[in-house]
Amino acid sequence: EVQLVESGGGLVQPGGSLRLSCAASGFTFSSYNLNWVRQAPGKGPEWVAFLSSSSTTIFYADSVKGRFTVSRDNAKNSLYLQMNSLRAEDTAVYYCAREGYSGYNAYWGQGTLVTVSS
Amino acid sequence: DIVMTQSPDSLAVSLGERATINCKSSRSVLYNSDNKNYLAWYQQKPGQPPKLLIYWASTRESGVPDRFSGSGSGTDFTLTISSLQAEDVAVYYCQQYLTAPPHTFGQGTKLEIK
Repeated sequence: EVQLVESGGGLVQPGGSLRLSCAASGFTFSSYNLNWVRQAPGKGPEWVAFLSSSSTTIFYADSVKGRFTVSRDNAKNSLYLQMNSLRAEDTAVYYCAREGYSGYNAYWGQGTLVTVSS
Repeated sequence: DIVMTQSPDSLAVSLGERATINCKSSRSVLYNSDNKNYLAWYQQKPGQPPKLLIYWASTRESGVPDRFSGSGSGTDFTLTISSLQAEDVAVYYCQQYLTAPPHTFGQGTKLEIK
């Protein structure tokens, strides 16, 4: 069974940093592209970052470019999101998601809540 | 970026009746090389992550009831629930994945029981 479990969320002040983790199991981690998708309270999902299976291709949403860094450790079956210079508008539930045959997200974690507030 | 627009924003349908949700993309998501529409549908219930229902515009994900179907091509797509069940109350999102990211989502359609 495919499982994705996010951790690392919490309350942080504007300008602060957080590192999110996503532990994966139930599939060959190194074979799949992964995404971070966030969802602000009461809003729809917003794609944040993409990382290819071999880490050779990375994309970021314009809203986080230069502030967020996505990475993975295929030996540890883990995906990460380093978030710096956090803003109030980054407040959201952050999901990691595994792609299917192409760019759709076939599996999602339960999410971790990031709240940016003073 | 491709903009995805869903209609209506909310919908109330009686149990057992048909529910139809529309999604329009700002440009075609049909890839001519493989003749596939790079369009997915998700269902999200309160407090849960989105769940994949449909990909390639009309391919039902394993385990999804056959009352859910997807149709359309190019820029106009439809998610149909043939006979609404109580457990189908949720917000539904379309997403395009044609291009390199961003893989944009629609704004969502909230489905309720009439």
